[in-house]
Amino acid sequence: AQSVTQLDSHVSVSEGTPVLLRCNYSSSYSPSLFWYVQHPNKGLQLLLKYTSAATLVKGINGFEAEFKKSETSFHLTKPSAHMSDAAEYFCVVPGLDTGRRALTFGSGTRLQVQP
Amino acid sequence: ETGVTQSPTHLIKTRGQQVTLRCSSQSGHNTVSWYQQALGQGPQFIFQYYREEENGRGNFPPRFSGLQFPNYSSELNVNALELDDSALYLCASSLGGTSGRITGELFFGEGSRLTVL
Repeated sequence: AQSVTQLDSHVSVSEGTPVLLRCNYSSSYSPSLFWYVQHPNKGLQLLLKYTSAATLVKGINGFEAEFKKSETSFHLTKPSAHMSDAAEYFCVVPGLDTGRRALTFGSGTRLQVQP
Repeated sequence: ETGVTQSPTHLIKTRGQQVTLRCSSQSGHNTVSWYQQALGQGPQFIFQYYREEENGRGNFPPRFSGLQFPNYSSELNVNALELDDSALYLCASSLGGTSGRITGELFFGEGSRLTVL
């Protein structure tokens, strides 16, 4: 089955420093990939999505991700962290085992931003 | 604001009871999905409804059931509640592609937090 692995459960950065949240995927072909963000006591919001049109994907709030087939990675980055970026981030792929009717979520990375 | 609203936001039940959670989809969306998010974990797919029929199901027992209405709003029903059912239940709506396949963004509500004692 298609899946994603988020390599860090917690990441802590200082405000104004770069953010890197790592995600590897397992698939026999180039999948669709998403990053979603969940702020405390809020629902999930789409940050960005990769659908094979371009390997570097720009999302909302200054985030971007690069699809690297050779490394089977889709890491999320931001040049400069803001306090409002503190949240849980999920790397997500449509599940082949559900006929692409459901999303398969990674285990999540909690981003902490220190002042 | 995603346009997806869920009710109630919080509720407490005891083991063996039944619960109904409700979701109002974003206008124009014909597909609704339900996810269970246990504390500290990523959401897990329960099932999807497309054009008022169950159209895909995750690894959840039959005591988890649902409905989708003609206006595309939806209910999630859980019978014979167990302690492990304590979780945040998320509803997501989308404009489903062929047979409800995900072709674009899912819009999530803020969830219903269920506590089973």
